Amino acid sequence: EAGVAQSPRYKIIEKRQSVAFWCNPISGHATLYWYQQILGQGPKLLIQFQNNGVVDDSQLPKDRFSAERLKGVDSTLKIQPAKLEDSAVYLCASSSSSWGSYEQYFGPGTRLTVT
Amino acid sequence: GENVEQHPSTLSVQEGDSAVIKCTYSDSASNYFPWYKQELGKGPQLIIDIRSNVGEKKDQRIAVTLNKTAKHFSLHITETQPEDSAVYFCAASIRGANSKLTFGKGITLSVRP
Repeated sequence: EAGVAQSPRYKIIEKRQSVAFWCNPISGHATLYWYQQILGQGPKLLIQFQNNGVVDDSQLPKDRFSAERLKGVDSTLKIQPAKLEDSAVYLCASSSSSWGSYEQYFGPGTRLTVT
Repeated sequence: GENVEQHPSTLSVQEGDSAVIKCTYSDSASNYFPWYKQELGKGPQLIIDIRSNVGEKKDQRIAVTLNKTAKHFSLHITETQPEDSAVYFCAASIRGANSKLTFGKGITLSVRP
């Protein structure tokens, strides 16, 4: 079974530029999550999708971050404009969300450096 | 909201010894507690989890224990090997179709050969 795929793996941009990250979850997984992991900390949830609907985006800085999952499969997370404090690893995770199964599986992440 | 804390922040053990990593959580409604291992440059990998109706779970050299009354849970690794060296994260959530994981800050485990 293929895991969660993310691209790009690394990205370096200047502040005020825009950037987009892509995620393809495990086949058949209805729930998709985007996390932000700042160096030395645990992942923090940014947004959660159930199929193509948003379940929780309470910690997403909506003035600069946006995310979509139009067809209920892959997803894109965008930052515009980027700030220095956005430097982090952006992790995508998915889960099947069938009753009794709540395990979240993570992709390799995209390391963003904002200069 | 939920708050998860991990202790200690770093741990160094000799190969072959046991390692114990402890976490506390604040929300008594939390009922699902996974542990993740993260190696350098990789995403977190689920290694074991426990649900609140179980006090202990084992999988080969790894075990997790849960004390709901005290609101803490621990990861136990026996017969440690150098490849166990990594950052370990505990997390907690209220189990459900829309479960949201709250992570601790992680602990760096170093296994000395």
